Amino acid sequence: AQSVAQPEDQVNVAEGNPLTVKCTYSVSGNPYLFWYVQYPNRGLQFLLKYITGDNLVKGSYGFEAEFNKSQTSFHLKKPSALVSDSALYFCAVHQAGTALIFGKGTTLSVSS
Amino acid sequence: DVKVTQSSRYLVKRTGEKVFLECVQDMDHENMFWYRQDPGLGLRLIYFSYDVKMKEKGDIPEGYSVSREKKERFSLILESASTNQTSMYLCASSGGGSRTDTQYFGPGTRLTVL
Repeated sequence: AQSVAQPEDQVNVAEGNPLTVKCTYSVSGNPYLFWYVQYPNRGLQFLLKYITGDNLVKGSYGFEAEFNKSQTSFHLKKPSALVSDSALYFCAVHQAGTALIFGKGTTLSVSS
Repeated sequence: DVKVTQSSRYLVKRTGEKVFLECVQDMDHENMFWYRQDPGLGLRLIYFSYDVKMKEKGDIPEGYSVSREKKERFSLILESASTNQTSMYLCASSGGGSRTDTQYFGPGTRLTVL
């Protein structure tokens, strides 16, 4: 069965510092991986996805994610955090059909 | 831009009431999904549909049903609302039959059952 784990409930980082939000996955077959962000009282917004090819995927708002097959990880990164990046981040992996399985989410808090 | 709209942002209902949550997408997407979001549990799939009048159970379908009479509209129905169905409900849609298709989400409906 497919699954995804986000080992940290919360990540705290100072503005201007690099940030990493971790995600590990377990799939049979090729992994199709996604990152979404949710701002307070809003729906989820798509950030980026890994399908195949380059292990470094670039997405919206300056975010990128690194796919590592040997470590079965897909960590979200940004070189310089902004206070406005504070939000809830979800990693997801494709399930059967076209549905996704989501991790439990990681709250990112960026302090000024 | 893809637009997914949900009929209500906030909804308060009483135990035992029949509740309808409506979702409309304007991009002619084949697939539509209903999730519920609870703190510490992430998003869990309730039902999804890959075509008009077609539906598939997700991970937690108990207590829910769905209807898709038109391609652009996907309704979630709580036949007899219970307090444990108090949650944030999120609708999503995606374009085709590919597993790599991006899902686009609506703003969510926060349902409280008293």
